Amino acid sequence: GESVGLHLPTLSVQEGDNSIINCAYSNSASDYFIWYKQESGKGPQFIIDIRSNMDKRQGQRVTVLLNKTVKHLSLQIAATQPGDSAVYFCAENMQAAGNKLTFGGGTRVLVKP
Amino acid sequence: EPEVTQTPSHQVTQMGQEVILRCVPISNHLYFYWYRQILGQKVEFLVSFYNNEISEKSEIFDDQFSVERPDGSNFTLKIRSTKLEDSAMYFCASSVREGLAGPYNEQFFGPGTRLTVL
Repeated sequence: GESVGLHLPTLSVQEGDNSIINCAYSNSASDYFIWYKQESGKGPQFIIDIRSNMDKRQGQRVTVLLNKTVKHLSLQIAATQPGDSAVYFCAENMQAAGNKLTFGGGTRVLVKP
Repeated sequence: EPEVTQTPSHQVTQMGQEVILRCVPISNHLYFYWYRQILGQKVEFLVSFYNNEISEKSEIFDDQFSVERPDGSNFTLKIRSTKLEDSAMYFCASSVREGLAGPYNEQFFGPGTRLTVL
């Protein structure tokens, strides 16, 4: 299940530092936004989601920020660990269009020991 | 922890041949999906399936594609006559356990099947 790509933006981060991954979404009518993590050989794995009526949501070591004004979504990972090395995708969902997810292009995170 | 499984992990086929990709969604999930990811590109929605029928599909999902839930556990994607451009990773996903409600339900993805059309 590799989501590899020659043109994936890459974020290199030192172990223990915080990571910030950004995403610009396209549909101002989207209701939900989701971050997925994809490790080599696996399918996308849900990390955290946020509704359009919120601007911040926190999980375990992760925080998602939503700025609807500029249609921007970010994922912050605190104290990045080697196991966080993966490709991260944002996805959006519009309830009126059903359950389908529209994915962004992905960012590769490389954690340096 | 329950998970979505997919077989085979890699399928190689000749152009024009039919392929069937198989998925076993999480037990008691009600919604099923297929997505694909061409190498170097975004994950793209293909189709969703609920209550034994297609609930929505994308422009990619043309007459060459079909889905089926032949029994209580499997969910399949068939491509009737494969083309070179069908080469991609195909992901199956499922969502909604019985008894859960809510406007958005997490989609659990399988590990994918890599389809290579020669």
